[in-house]
Amino acid sequence: QVQLVESGGGVVQPGRSLRLSCASSGFTFTNYALNWVRQAPGKGLEWVALISYDGTSKFYADSVKGRFTISKDNSKNTVFLEMNSLRADDTAVYYCARHKIMATLMSSFDSWGLGTLVTVSS
Amino acid sequence: DFQMTQSPSSLSASVGDRVTITCQASQDISMSVNWYHQKPGKAPELLIYHASRLETGVPSTFSGSGSGTHFTFTISSLQPEHIGTYYCQHNDHFPFTFGPGTRIEIK
Repeated sequence: QVQLVESGGGVVQPGRSLRLSCASSGFTFTNYALNWVRQAPGKGLEWVALISYDGTSKFYADSVKGRFTISKDNSKNTVFLEMNSLRADDTAVYYCARHKIMATLMSSFDSWGLGTLVTVSS
Repeated sequence: DFQMTQSPSSLSASVGDRVTITCQASQDISMSVNWYHQKPGKAPELLIYHASRLETGVPSTFSGSGSGTHFTFTISSLQPEHIGTYYCQHNDHFPFTFGPGTRIEIK
């Protein structure tokens, strides 16, 4: 079955960087777009970034554009989120989520990881 | 700026009640709306996609409808396992946006 496992979260000081990973299994990694979605403590869901199934297209929320970079390593079935210039309002659980529909940019998310917590604090 | 609004923000209902949530988009997004359920401390789960299509394995207790800018989500008979927060989300254009959520509790 589809499995997404996030890692890399932790406590980081404002202005510093962190890289999250999402290891995937149970499906053909190169057939599906993958997303990062975050949830600040006690708040709602916020879509953060998407990388297309073939890695050629990347999209970002305005709140992270220019600071976060999404990438993927097909040899490791892993998607990454490089987060720079971190701010206190980036504190959240970060989820990896797979598109339901293959080979498309526009789709619902049918599989989610358990999330990894990022805390930005001095 | 594009916005997704959701109402109510919370509700309390009895077991067996019919519950309806609405989601309003600030511009026409066709049928590109999905509904998710998030239980406390858990990852969200897809229930409805493309406004009205039931995700595989999801009971028909759940249903969705709507198009354009107005969408509804219904639980036909509320059960204790349905507690948590429900979110609408669009995938019509970037950035994808989630509604603010509706928290459901049992009365």
